[in-house]
Amino acid sequence: NFMLTQPHSVSESPGKTVTISCTRSSGSIARNYVQWYQQRPGRAPTTVIYEDSQRPSGVPDRFSGSIDSSSNSASLSISGLKTEDEADYYCQSYDGNNHVVFGGGTTLTVL
Amino acid sequence: LQLQESGPGLVKPSETLSLTCTVSGGSINTSAYYWGWIRQSPEKGLEWIGSMFHSGSTYYAPSLRSRVTMSIDTSKNQFALKLSSVTAADTAVYYCARQMAAVPINFDPWGQGTLVTVSS
Repeated sequence: NFMLTQPHSVSESPGKTVTISCTRSSGSIARNYVQWYQQRPGRAPTTVIYEDSQRPSGVPDRFSGSIDSSSNSASLSISGLKTEDEADYYCQSYDGNNHVVFGGGTTLTVL
Repeated sequence: LQLQESGPGLVKPSETLSLTCTVSGGSINTSAYYWGWIRQSPEKGLEWIGSMFHSGSTYYAPSLRSRVTMSIDTSKNQFALKLSSVTAADTAVYYCARQMAAVPINFDPWGQGTLVTVSS
């Protein structure tokens, strides 16, 4: 099976844009959709991006997702950062047997 | 739609962990979704355990397959998880979640989670 690798932490200032990467260890990143979840302290994860780049209703358009086959990675970008965006972010995908894989998570600090 | 996990918060080593997820605000007996279990620990992060369909078909994470059993009770709108021969490494917050039956595999919504500690 493959792994999804994320940076342990990122930080940026309010109003700026931050990008979190998620690199697939083997097999093409484009083979299976990537989802992104936001998890605030003490809460369950919620979806902010599905199908690589789709936003669920209610998620601000400051959140965007993309994939890059050249680096075999997915990215979550958050523009116009707000303090409320401080959270852990996880990428997630699956293999051909529908076995689910999560990334290790990235802690976003808005300072 | 809401999901709520329930079960013992403390399990002894070598025993079986048993959790139930109660679904409200929608029927579990639908072809549109699977129903999944995910756990989270500081050591391993988020870890998918397995998923099942209303018909009873299941698929499990390879690393846990030998110890996991999932079941569903459509009459009670509940599904359940059993994890046998637990060790301290199984200490985690356990979540149940709804999963799209068609790709992409996306979990939404999740239950609030329940902490299970394995200790004597």
